[in-house]
Amino acid sequence: AQKITQTQPGMFVQEKEAVTLDCTYDTSDQSYGLFWYKQPSSGEMIFLIYQGSYDEQNATEGRYSLNFQKARKSANLVISASQLGDSAMYFCAMSGTSGTYKYIFGTGTRLKVLA
Amino acid sequence: EAQVTQNPRYLITVTGKKLTVTCSQNMNHEYMSWYRQDPGLGLRQIYYSMNVEVTDKGDVPEGYKVSRKEKRNFPLILESPSPNQTSLYFCASSLQTGSNQPQHFGDGTRLSIL
Repeated sequence: AQKITQTQPGMFVQEKEAVTLDCTYDTSDQSYGLFWYKQPSSGEMIFLIYQGSYDEQNATEGRYSLNFQKARKSANLVISASQLGDSAMYFCAMSGTSGTYKYIFGTGTRLKVLA
Repeated sequence: EAQVTQNPRYLITVTGKKLTVTCSQNMNHEYMSWYRQDPGLGLRQIYYSMNVEVTDKGDVPEGYKVSRKEKRNFPLILESPSPNQTSLYFCASSLQTGSNQPQHFGDGTRLSIL
């Protein structure tokens, strides 16, 4: 069955340092999409970055990059130069498996950036 | 302003009293979806719609109904709410149906079923 696993319930990082949030996924499909979303304490969901399963290069969006290792079925989010405003819950998600357009989310990682 | 609008934002109600949470998007998006968020469980998809009159079940559809009669609206209906449906609900949409489409989320609806 398709599944997203985020094994880090909570993490701390010092301001200005880089941090990696882990995400592994399980699917037997060849074509799928992987996403990261941010949920600040205010509650809204914000799209951060996307990686397609056929994309050979890792996706980057500003300070966000996605470390995609297809053979290991991992799609880790790297945040460089952490800022206090990066403190939030982060969700990894997958779509397009099993010929459907379901979205599957992980359980999330709560990141706290320390001043 | 491009947005997904959910109403109400907060609702406290009682078991068995039918309720509808509305969702509307002004971006002419093709794909719309409902999720519930519970502590420790992340977001779980309830239903999604790939276009008008085309809907399909997500992972947790039991106890919910949806309809997509117009492209912009995708209401979530709880015919007989129960306490285990107390949750934070999100509506989301994306431009097209496809595995490469990021979701645009509404601000959420917090439902409490007593």
